[in-house]
Amino acid sequence: YELTQPSSVSVSPGQTASISCSGDQVADGYVCWYQQRPGQSPILVIFQDNERPSGIPERFSGSTSGNTATLTISGTQPMDEADYYCQAWEYGTVIFGGGTKLTVL
Amino acid sequence: QVQLQESGPGLVKPSQTLSLTCTVSGDSIHSGEYSWSWIRQPAGKGLEWIGRVYRSGNTNYKRSMKSRVSISVDTSKNQFSLKLSSLTAADTAVYYCARGTHSGPTVRFDYWGQGTLVTVSS
Repeated sequence: YELTQPSSVSVSPGQTASISCSGDQVADGYVCWYQQRPGQSPILVIFQDNERPSGIPERFSGSTSGNTATLTISGTQPMDEADYYCQAWEYGTVIFGGGTKLTVL
Repeated sequence: QVQLQESGPGLVKPSQTLSLTCTVSGDSIHSGEYSWSWIRQPAGKGLEWIGRVYRSGNTNYKRSMKSRVSISVDTSKNQFSLKLSSLTAADTAVYYCARGTHSGPTVRFDYWGQGTLVTVSS
């Protein structure tokens, strides 16, 4: 995968979770993030680095600095336990990160 | 509410060609400024973008798959389709179709189908 994500992140309920996504393509902007619960299709949670689609809770936010994008979940809830994927673009095509399993324990 | 639904065979033999169709409801492929993509996910692994088609029929493909992939659109049926040839076991995956909304040079996938499992095996 051309975008590098940690394979797993753990967080306690109510705490803040941060998931990173690194790659040269991140610096070009417009990073998206998707949440995928087991057995379900991915859901868009952040687009254009830090925009939330309607219906996505305010506890989800995104930021970018240089070649690294970060998805932050504030006040993490047990329902946030899922796999998270970042997505960027390269030469008119789409690339994904390898995914991060977020465990809320 | 926009909905996408994949359809096609669940089992395909090695070396054959996979054909999948995505039927869109709640939106018109013909009238919108969107692209329509295929994305796959092997069991326990990450997402892989395969390619996309626009209402005009223009396409973009993942470079490493370009020689084996063809994506087409049928606006009269509000469907788009994937053909993937020379199948191997490595093509076994859940295949998703998704709508792409464009922002500047990139795209975000705001609606996804439920996915269809394709197994390549003799």
